[in-house]
Amino acid sequence: EDQVTQSPEALRLQEGESSSLNCSYTVSGLRGLFWYRQDPGKGPEFLFTLYSAGEEKEKERLKATLTKKESFLHITAPKPEDSATYLCAVHHSNAGNMLTFGGGTRLMVKP
Amino acid sequence: SQTIHQWPATLVQPVGSPLSLECTVEGTSNPNLYWYRQAAGRGLQLLFYSVGIGQISSEVPQNLSASRPQDRQFILSSKKLLLSDSGFYLCAWSFQYKRVPASGYTFGSGTRLTVV
Repeated sequence: EDQVTQSPEALRLQEGESSSLNCSYTVSGLRGLFWYRQDPGKGPEFLFTLYSAGEEKEKERLKATLTKKESFLHITAPKPEDSATYLCAVHHSNAGNMLTFGGGTRLMVKP
Repeated sequence: SQTIHQWPATLVQPVGSPLSLECTVEGTSNPNLYWYRQAAGRGLQLLFYSVGIGQISSEVPQNLSASRPQDRQFILSSKKLLLSDSGFYLCAWSFQYKRVPASGYTFGSGTRLTVV
């Protein structure tokens, strides 16, 4: 069964304390892995797309990496404004135009 | 540029009442359209998707239905709401390519539905 699992479900960090969020997947024929940021009461906003193992993308304090089984979202020296829920989603060959979403990681950064 | 509008932002409805949530997309033609539900602190559950006018696919059997009366309009409905229909409803669109585009889906701002 195609699955996308994110861990941890929630993460509390102090401002400046770097960490990583995990997105593991078991799908056939990965065509793309997407990271989104979602603020409370808002729709998800696109961050990155990764297509192949070894690929990396960066944006400000965020860096996304991809292996054959998982993706990491590294947060370097986070600030309180980085607090949000981070969602990953995969597009795979059995899914047509569908994305399969993970359950998200709720990140809280305290000053 | 493309924009997506979703309304209302919040809604409180009694059990047994009808529901109509609307989503429209501007700046593109023939988009793929999606309705998702998100329970508190959880991921996104795909409810319906549409690749064209009148073409609706349902992913989860439930008390809800969807319609696409116009190319860029997607409506989520219910004849009689249940308590379990409470949640955060999101509309999304993507270009109608064979592959999901590099930017993934673009989401609306969501509707918080509380059934009381």
